[in-house]
Amino acid sequence: LAKTTQPISMDSYEGQEVNITCSHNNIATNDYITWYQQFPSQGPRFIIQGYKTKVTNEVASLFIPADRKSSTLSLPRVSLSDTAVYYCLVGNQGGKLIFGQGTELSVKP
Amino acid sequence: EPEVTQTPSHQVTQMGQEVILRCVPISNHLYFYWYRQILGQKVEFLVSFYNNEISEKSEIFDDQFSVERPDGSNFTLKIRSTKLEDSAMYFCASRQVPEAFFGQGTRLTVV
Repeated sequence: LAKTTQPISMDSYEGQEVNITCSHNNIATNDYITWYQQFPSQGPRFIIQGYKTKVTNEVASLFIPADRKSSTLSLPRVSLSDTAVYYCLVGNQGGKLIFGQGTELSVKP
Repeated sequence: EPEVTQTPSHQVTQMGQEVILRCVPISNHLYFYWYRQILGQKVEFLVSFYNNEISEKSEIFDDQFSVERPDGSNFTLKIRSTKLEDSAMYFCASRQVPEAFFGQGTRLTVV
């Protein structure tokens, strides 16, 4: 499984756009990139998944360059409720999900 | 929205006792997982279950652990003889590719 590296923590202010970058240099051809969000004492929650280029849903956008060795989760106009840990995962469809340390995002007023 | 349900939400047990953690996954999902998260640490994979059998397990999932799907709906994790270091949040998940749905977890405290 491809190992992922992401910043341990990030700070932001309400209303700002937040970009969290994840590197996965050893991503395999059949691997997808998936992001999860976790609030304290809750289970992780799926945010978005992509394979290449750009994916957008009602919550976030995911940018993946052509070499797929990194990806960037973009959260538009964050609010206090977006304070959480964000995990970047790389793996094939249906396989186990391996969580790294994640990025602890703190949104301040 | 469909959800994964876990019971109990909190369990306190004495060291050496057996515990069974229960999960009701989303009915039409095919992949099931158990994870644990020790306080302040990352989410750790324990075991995955597909087609009524274990498809993959981690080093953590030793002989003290077992999983079952006894009646086609419930999905259980049994810890035979709990240790202090088993204290953690245990999450069940079920998956319909690409999205995995996690339950709210069971907080297990071993004393």
